[in-house]
Amino acid sequence: EVQLVESGGGLVKAGGSLRLSCAASGFTFSDYSMNWVRQPPGKGLEWVSSISSSSSYIYYADSVRGRFTITRDNAKNSLWLQMNSLRAEDTAVYYCARSLFSGAPDYWGQGTLVTVSS
Amino acid sequence: EIVLTQSPATLSLSPGERATLSCRASQGVTSYLAWYQQKPGQAPRLLISDASNRATGIPARFSGSGSGTDFTLTISSLEPEDFAVYYCQQRNNWPWTFGQGTKVDIK
Repeated sequence: EVQLVESGGGLVKAGGSLRLSCAASGFTFSDYSMNWVRQPPGKGLEWVSSISSSSSYIYYADSVRGRFTITRDNAKNSLWLQMNSLRAEDTAVYYCARSLFSGAPDYWGQGTLVTVSS
Repeated sequence: EIVLTQSPATLSLSPGERATLSCRASQGVTSYLAWYQQKPGQAPRLLISDASNRATGIPARFSGSGSGTDFTLTISSLEPEDFAVYYCQQRNNWPWTFGQGTKVDIK
């Protein structure tokens, strides 16, 4: 069974940092690109970042470029999102999701809530 | 950035009725458009990829069509579990973008 489990969310002050983790199981992690998508409370979905299977290609939304860093370790079946210089508008549930090559994300974790207080 | 506009914002229907949801892109996305379903407190679930391909385990009452800039998600006969929010998403260009969602609620 495919499982993606996010962790690391919490309450942080504006300007602070958090590191989100996503633990993958039930599939060959190294075959898949991975993605972070966020959803502010009561609002729609926003793509944040994507990383290819071998980390050769990395993409960021303009809203987070220069502040967030996506990384992965295929040996540990793990994905991370380092978030620095956090702002109130970064408050959201953050989902990790897998996709084959750059296909539509087909499995999503349950998300972790990040709250940035101003 | 490609803007996806979904309509209507809310669709009020009864179980058994047909639902037709629209997604229009500000520029062509070829067939690289997906549809997701999201229920309260849950993660999104992929329904349709590449405009018309049903994802694994998705019932046949869900179908997608379109290419270029105009896309449609059709639910042929609404089941009680289909009342939810539906999002479209394009992966033709970076950044990936989502529509603002269509809520299908019970009339």
